[in-house]
Amino acid sequence: QVQVVQSGAEVKKPGASVKVSCKASGDTFTRPLFHWVRQAPGQGLEWMGVVNPSDGATNYAQKFQGRVTMTRDTSTTTVYMELSSLRSEDTAVYFCTREYRTASYYFDSWGQGTPVTVSS
Amino acid sequence: ETVLTQSPGTLSLSPGERATLSCRASQSVSDNFLSWYQQKPGQAPGLLIYGASSRATGIPDRFSGSGSGTDFTLTISRLEPEDFAVYYCLVFGSSGKYTFGRGTKLEIK
Repeated sequence: QVQVVQSGAEVKKPGASVKVSCKASGDTFTRPLFHWVRQAPGQGLEWMGVVNPSDGATNYAQKFQGRVTMTRDTSTTTVYMELSSLRSEDTAVYFCTREYRTASYYFDSWGQGTPVTVSS
Repeated sequence: ETVLTQSPGTLSLSPGERATLSCRASQSVSDNFLSWYQQKPGQAPGLLIYGASSRATGIPDRFSGSGSGTDFTLTISRLEPEDFAVYYCLVFGSSGKYTFGRGTKLEIK
């Protein structure tokens, strides 16, 4: 069974950056893709982007271009999401989720979520 | 970018009733790229349906997905108390990016 475990809650000031980690275990790390999805309080799910652990390739949602960086460390089977120039609207729970791409594209394992609070 | 419109925004039903949730895409999508998720308060979402109509492992057969092109439906045949939650559809678009619908909240009447 694949497990996706994220780092703990963060509190940041406006203008700062946050880096959230997501450690995968139980399967071949470089085969799946890893996505980041966020959810503001009381709101829906928002796709932020994806990183391919096999080569580090990324694809970001237009909204986050220039502010988000997704990376991976194959030695520790961990992926990271860094969001810079934080503002209060970035307060949300950030989820890491895995896509094991076959003929169908979907997210089959989710991390527990990392709450990020941006406040002065 | 493909936009997904979910309706209704909120659905009020009683246990034992049938629920029909809609997800409409702004352009035609492949069945292979449409999936449904369930989210309960304080929890991460969980996969229900992939490929528009295939149930994920461990999902009861009261959940079914259907549709093609731009119109997709999630049906729960007989609601159980644990089914009251928020449901999202998700699509992989032609630009290589994903989009979620805004969700349907299924609440107890």
